[in-house]
This record gives sequence, structure tokens and C-alpha cells, in this order.
Amino acid sequence: AAGVIQSPRHLIKEKRETATLKCYPIPRHDTVYWYQQGPGQDPQFLISFYEKMQSDKGSIPDRFSAQQFSDYHSELNMSSLELGDSALYFCASSLGLGTPNYEQYFGPGTRLTVT
Amino acid sequence: AQSVTQPDIHITVSEGASLELRCNYSYGATPYLFWYVQSPGQGLQLLLKYFSGDTLVQGIKGFEAEFKRSQSSFNLRKPSVHWSDAAEYFCAVGATGGFKTIFGAGTRLFVKA
Repeated sequence: AAGVIQSPRHLIKEKRETATLKCYPIPRHDTVYWYQQGPGQDPQFLISFYEKMQSDKGSIPDRFSAQQFSDYHSELNMSSLELGDSALYFCASSLGLGTPNYEQYFGPGTRLTVT
Repeated sequence: AQSVTQPDIHITVSEGASLELRCNYSYGATPYLFWYVQSPGQGLQLLLKYFSGDTLVQGIKGFEAEFKRSQSSFNLRKPSVHWSDAAEYFCAVGATGGFKTIFGAGTRLFVKA
């Protein structure tokens, strides 16, 4: 079965650079979520999109922005990178909101290292 | 506010012994509850989920969890642990409306021979 695809899997950037992470949801899934997991931490919700509109927002820095495109893939744009941005970034997708099918399927993550 | 508490940061269990990982949640309505497992450097794998109905939920890899509304708990159990079960386990609650999942801090399971 198709899963959530994230690219790249690994990314190394320097401070103050920008990074773009991509997420391709499971086919027919219309909702995408982004999470950040720092070393030894639990995943923290950043932002989500439903039908290309932002549906919820968590602890996402102002330096980060995201969007969902017409084909439902999503991109997380990160600017002015800081050392503390080094983390594993997960994307998840689900079908619909508040339905019995609500279950987020997680991608393998993108490991971002800021040097 | 919704929250999830996993009181045990780490647990060590002998191979073949039984396991119980504790999870307490705080949520006003009927929660969607999940247990995920994460091996080092890997993604999150869903073990099981509870939406409604039978309060004893069976998952993959021989895991089960019991939802107890009166105790606001959703503890994960396995009757006999295998060395390959060593990993980080996250309990999570999903808000109805499906906008986000809130994770507990995780419990790291060590399995000794």
C-alpha cells in the first residue's frame, strides 16, 4: 500500500540558510500535518492543512511557512535556520476530519541538521 | 487543554516477561487514542488505536491496550516481550475534528536477555 512520502530524507544546512521539506500524502488523503521532533523529544505539532486551507496551527515559528497544493502535497519552508531547528520533521496525512477514518499515517521523516 | 502523560520515562523488562506501559490523557470529550512505536532514527509506526466501542483494543505485534474512561487511562500491554520490542513508545490523543495529534513524552523500553 502507498505510504506518505517525504523528501528529502536527510538535509544538512548552515545557519541562516533556508530549507524546503516536501510531503506527498497517501492518495485520496486530503489532510496533511507537520510535526517536529527534537532529539529525545516527543513530536510537536506544527501546522495542518485540510483541502488546501490551513486547518490548525501549533508551535510553528514565524520563520516557517507551509502550504498545501492542488495535488494535496505540502511543503514546509524554513528560513533563517537556527541550530535549534535541527530535528526530525514528520509529515502525516489523513482522510477527512473528525470522521471514523481519522487516523494519521506518518511518513518516515526528514532529518534536518543545521550546522 | 488536551494533554497526554506517560509517567515512565524508561522501563526495563526481561525478554519473555509481560509489559505494561502507562498512559493518562486529559481531554474533555471522547478521545481518539493511539499508541505509536519508534525505533531509533525511524518513523512512527501505529500499534493500535481506540475510537469507540470495545474498550480492549488489539493491535499489531501482539500488543493490546485498554481504555478506562473512569481513570482517563489507555495503558499498553503485551504478555511476552521480545528483544525486538525495544524502542520508544508514544501514547497520543487526537482531537475530534482531526486537526492534530498530541503526543506524550514517550517511554523508552529496554529489553534484557
